[in-house]
Amino acid sequence: DVKVTQSSRYLVKRTGEKVFLECVQDMDHENMFWYRQDPGLGLRLIYFSYDVKMKEKGDIPEGYSVSREKKERFSLILESASTNQTSMYLCASSLFYASGWQETQYFGPGTRLLVL
Amino acid sequence: AQKVTQAQTEISVVEKEDVTLDCVYETRDTTYYLFWYKQPPSGELVFLIRRNSFDEQNEISGRYSWNFQKSTSSFNFTITASQVVDSAVYFCALSEILQNSGGSNYKLTFGKGTLLTVNP
Repeated sequence: DVKVTQSSRYLVKRTGEKVFLECVQDMDHENMFWYRQDPGLGLRLIYFSYDVKMKEKGDIPEGYSVSREKKERFSLILESASTNQTSMYLCASSLFYASGWQETQYFGPGTRLLVL
Repeated sequence: AQKVTQAQTEISVVEKEDVTLDCVYETRDTTYYLFWYKQPPSGELVFLIRRNSFDEQNEISGRYSWNFQKSTSSFNFTITASQVVDSAVYFCALSEILQNSGGSNYKLTFGKGTLLTVNP
Protein backbone atom coordinates (compact mmCIF):
# COMPACT_ATOMS: atom_id res chain seq x y z
CA ASP A 1 0.00 0.00 0.00
CA VAL A 2 1.12 3.52 -0.76
CA LYS A 3 1.85 5.47 2.36
CA VAL A 4 2.03 9.24 2.41
CA THR A 5 2.51 10.80 5.83
CA GLN A 6 2.43 14.40 6.96
CA SER A 7 4.25 15.60 10.04
CA SER A 8 1.27 17.15 11.81
CA ARG A 9 -2.49 16.75 11.64
CA TYR A 10 -3.13 20.08 13.36
CA LEU A 11 -0.90 23.11 13.70
CA VAL A 12 -1.42 26.51 15.28
CA LYS A 13 1.02 29.30 14.42
CA ARG A 14 1.20 33.04 14.84
CA THR A 15 1.33 35.63 12.08
CA GLY A 16 4.87 36.17 10.89
CA GLU A 17 6.22 32.80 12.00
CA LYS A 18 8.10 30.57 9.59
CA VAL A 19 6.20 27.33 9.20
CA PHE A 20 7.43 23.99 7.90
CA LEU A 21 5.05 21.28 6.71
CA GLU A 22 6.69 17.96 6.06
CA CYS A 23 5.56 15.18 3.77
CA VAL A 24 7.12 11.74 3.41
CA GLN A 25 6.20 8.93 1.03
CA ASP A 26 7.51 5.40 1.18
CA MET A 27 6.80 4.18 -2.38
CA ASP A 28 9.80 5.63 -4.20
CA HIS A 29 7.56 8.00 -6.16
CA GLU A 30 9.24 10.60 -8.31
CA ASN A 31 6.42 13.12 -8.19
CA MET A 32 5.26 15.00 -5.14
CA PHE A 33 2.67 17.73 -4.82
CA TRP A 34 1.36 20.22 -2.30
CA TYR A 35 -2.27 21.36 -2.43
CA ARG A 36 -4.35 23.53 -0.20
CA GLN A 37 -8.03 22.95 0.34
CA ASP A 38 -10.47 25.69 1.25
CA PRO A 39 -14.26 25.58 1.56
CA GLY A 40 -15.93 26.52 -1.68
CA LEU A 41 -12.64 26.56 -3.58
CA GLY A 42 -11.75 22.89 -3.64
CA LEU A 43 -8.12 21.82 -3.92
CA ARG A 44 -5.56 24.06 -5.53
CA LEU A 45 -2.00 23.18 -6.45
CA ILE A 46 0.71 25.18 -4.68
CA TYR A 47 3.94 23.52 -5.83
CA PHE A 48 5.07 20.25 -7.29
CA SER A 49 8.32 18.40 -7.77
CA TYR A 50 9.16 15.62 -10.19
CA ASP A 51 12.68 14.99 -9.03
CA VAL A 52 15.04 15.67 -6.17
CA LYS A 53 15.93 19.35 -6.02
CA MET A 54 13.41 20.07 -8.79
CA LYS A 55 10.42 22.25 -8.08
CA GLU A 56 7.80 23.97 -10.13
CA LYS A 57 5.13 26.49 -9.24
CA GLY A 58 1.53 25.48 -9.28
CA ASP A 59 -1.50 27.73 -9.41
CA ILE A 60 -1.06 29.58 -6.12
CA PRO A 61 2.64 29.64 -5.13
CA GLU A 62 2.70 33.13 -3.63
CA GLY A 63 3.77 33.14 0.00
CA TYR A 64 5.12 29.59 -0.17
CA SER A 65 8.35 27.84 -1.00
CA VAL A 66 9.31 24.17 -1.09
CA SER A 67 12.30 21.96 -0.58
CA ARG A 68 13.07 18.49 -1.90
CA GLU A 69 16.47 17.31 -0.76
CA LYS A 70 15.57 13.64 -0.73
CA LYS A 71 13.28 11.68 -3.00
CA GLU A 72 10.93 10.62 -0.25
CA ARG A 73 10.51 14.00 1.42
CA PHE A 74 8.84 17.17 0.20
CA SER A 75 8.58 20.17 2.50
CA LEU A 76 6.27 23.15 2.19
CA ILE A 77 7.53 26.36 3.79
CA LEU A 78 5.49 29.40 4.74
CA GLU A 79 8.18 32.06 4.97
CA SER A 80 6.05 34.44 7.05
CA ALA A 81 2.69 32.96 7.92
CA SER A 82 -0.38 35.10 7.43
CA THR A 83 -3.98 34.58 8.46
CA ASN A 84 -5.05 33.99 4.86
CA GLN A 85 -2.86 30.90 4.86
CA THR A 86 -5.14 29.23 7.38
CA SER A 87 -6.19 26.16 5.47
CA MET A 88 -5.99 22.41 5.05
CA TYR A 89 -2.75 21.37 3.35
CA LEU A 90 -2.57 18.09 1.47
CA CYS A 91 0.49 16.38 0.13
CA ALA A 92 0.36 13.83 -2.69
CA SER A 93 2.78 11.61 -4.55
CA SER A 94 2.73 9.58 -7.74
CA LEU A 95 4.94 7.56 -10.02
CA PHE A 96 6.34 9.15 -13.13
CA TYR A 97 6.29 7.58 -16.57
CA ALA A 98 8.15 9.27 -19.38
CA SER A 99 5.68 7.78 -21.84
CA GLY A 100 2.98 10.09 -20.56
CA TRP A 101 0.97 7.42 -18.76
CA GLN A 102 -0.59 9.26 -15.89
CA GLU A 103 -0.35 7.52 -12.60
CA THR A 104 -2.67 8.06 -9.70
CA GLN A 105 -1.83 10.66 -7.08
CA TYR A 106 -2.02 9.31 -3.54
CA PHE A 107 -2.69 11.72 -0.73
CA GLY A 108 -1.57 12.10 2.84
CA PRO A 109 -3.96 12.73 5.75
CA GLY A 110 -3.62 16.49 5.56
CA THR A 111 -2.49 19.20 7.97
CA ARG A 112 -5.01 21.69 9.28
CA LEU A 113 -3.09 24.90 9.81
CA LEU A 114 -4.50 27.78 11.81
CA VAL A 115 -2.61 31.08 11.69
CA LEU A 116 -3.56 33.51 14.45
CA ALA B 1 -8.25 26.02 -19.16
CA GLN B 2 -9.38 22.79 -17.61
CA LYS B 3 -12.53 22.84 -15.58
CA VAL B 4 -14.42 20.33 -13.49
CA THR B 5 -17.96 21.05 -12.37
CA GLN B 6 -19.73 19.21 -9.62
CA ALA B 7 -23.05 20.96 -9.61
CA GLN B 8 -24.37 19.20 -6.53
CA THR B 9 -22.90 20.89 -3.49
CA GLU B 10 -24.71 18.70 -0.99
CA ILE B 11 -26.85 15.58 -1.22
CA SER B 12 -28.70 13.93 1.61
CA VAL B 13 -30.18 10.45 1.32
CA VAL B 14 -31.54 7.76 3.56
CA GLU B 15 -29.61 4.54 3.94
CA LYS B 16 -30.17 1.98 1.16
CA GLU B 17 -31.12 4.60 -1.38
CA ASP B 18 -29.13 4.81 -4.60
CA VAL B 19 -27.37 8.10 -5.26
CA THR B 20 -25.59 9.53 -8.28
CA LEU B 21 -22.92 12.20 -8.07
CA ASP B 22 -22.49 14.24 -11.22
CA CYS B 23 -19.24 15.40 -12.75
CA VAL B 24 -18.87 17.42 -15.94
CA TYR B 25 -15.49 18.44 -17.28
CA GLU B 26 -13.92 20.66 -19.91
CA THR B 27 -10.57 20.03 -21.52
CA ARG B 28 -8.76 20.65 -24.77
CA ASP B 29 -6.42 17.70 -24.28
CA THR B 30 -7.11 14.71 -26.47
CA THR B 31 -5.68 12.34 -23.90
CA TYR B 32 -6.67 12.86 -20.33
CA TYR B 33 -7.56 11.03 -17.17
CA LEU B 34 -10.47 11.36 -14.81
CA PHE B 35 -10.47 10.44 -11.15
CA TRP B 36 -12.83 10.16 -8.22
CA TYR B 37 -11.64 10.62 -4.66
CA LYS B 38 -13.48 10.25 -1.38
CA GLN B 39 -12.73 12.48 1.60
CA PRO B 40 -14.24 11.19 4.84
CA PRO B 41 -14.42 13.44 7.91
CA SER B 42 -10.88 12.39 8.88
CA GLY B 43 -9.64 14.48 5.95
CA GLU B 44 -7.56 12.09 3.90
CA LEU B 45 -8.38 11.83 0.20
CA VAL B 46 -8.94 8.23 -0.75
CA PHE B 47 -8.51 7.23 -4.37
CA LEU B 48 -11.52 5.45 -5.86
CA ILE B 49 -11.03 5.20 -9.60
CA ARG B 50 -8.99 6.39 -12.57
CA ARG B 51 -10.25 6.40 -16.13
CA ASN B 52 -8.44 7.37 -19.32
CA SER B 53 -10.15 9.18 -22.16
CA PHE B 54 -9.92 6.21 -24.50
CA ASP B 55 -11.78 3.84 -22.24
CA GLU B 56 -15.48 4.60 -22.15
CA GLN B 57 -16.55 1.35 -20.63
CA ASN B 58 -18.55 1.70 -17.48
CA GLU B 59 -17.02 0.24 -14.39
CA ILE B 60 -18.54 -1.43 -11.37
CA SER B 61 -16.80 -2.13 -8.10
CA GLY B 62 -19.09 -3.55 -5.48
CA ARG B 63 -21.72 -0.93 -4.71
CA TYR B 64 -19.86 1.69 -6.74
CA SER B 65 -20.26 2.26 -10.45
CA TRP B 66 -19.03 4.89 -12.86
CA ASN B 67 -20.53 6.09 -16.10
CA PHE B 68 -18.09 7.82 -18.45
CA GLN B 69 -19.65 9.55 -21.47
CA LYS B 70 -17.20 11.40 -23.62
CA SER B 71 -19.96 12.82 -25.83
CA THR B 72 -21.36 14.79 -22.90
CA SER B 73 -18.02 15.23 -21.07
CA SER B 74 -19.40 13.57 -17.99
CA PHE B 75 -18.06 11.07 -15.51
CA ASN B 76 -20.79 10.27 -13.04
CA PHE B 77 -20.52 8.15 -9.94
CA THR B 78 -23.32 6.03 -8.51
CA ILE B 79 -23.49 4.42 -5.11
CA THR B 80 -26.03 1.64 -4.89
CA ALA B 81 -27.72 0.85 -1.59
CA SER B 82 -25.92 3.65 0.22
CA GLN B 83 -24.63 3.17 3.74
CA VAL B 84 -23.84 5.59 6.55
CA VAL B 85 -20.12 4.93 6.00
CA ASP B 86 -20.46 6.42 2.52
CA SER B 87 -20.96 9.84 4.09
CA ALA B 88 -18.08 11.96 2.85
CA VAL B 89 -17.10 14.65 0.39
CA TYR B 90 -16.53 13.23 -3.07
CA PHE B 91 -14.24 14.92 -5.55
CA CYS B 92 -14.03 14.46 -9.27
CA ALA B 93 -10.67 15.42 -10.83
CA LEU B 94 -9.27 15.85 -14.31
CA SER B 95 -5.64 15.55 -15.32
CA GLU B 96 -3.92 18.41 -17.04
CA ILE B 97 -0.51 18.23 -18.66
CA LEU B 98 2.05 20.26 -16.74
CA GLN B 99 3.72 22.58 -19.22
CA ASN B 100 6.93 22.81 -17.22
CA SER B 101 7.46 19.07 -17.17
CA GLY B 102 8.16 18.49 -20.84
CA GLY B 103 4.63 17.23 -21.38
CA SER B 104 5.18 14.06 -19.42
CA ASN B 105 3.70 14.98 -16.12
CA TYR B 106 0.38 16.25 -14.99
CA LYS B 107 -1.55 17.98 -12.26
CA LEU B 108 -5.09 17.43 -11.15
CA THR B 109 -7.87 19.95 -11.50
CA PHE B 110 -10.49 19.22 -8.89
CA GLY B 111 -14.15 19.96 -8.77
CA LYS B 112 -15.39 21.67 -5.64
CA GLY B 113 -16.74 18.45 -4.25
CA THR B 114 -20.13 17.05 -3.29
CA LEU B 115 -20.94 16.47 0.35
CA LEU B 116 -22.91 13.27 0.64
CA THR B 117 -24.76 12.57 3.86
CA VAL B 118 -26.32 9.18 4.31
CA ASN B 119 -28.79 9.11 7.16
CA PRO B 120 -29.72 5.93 9.00
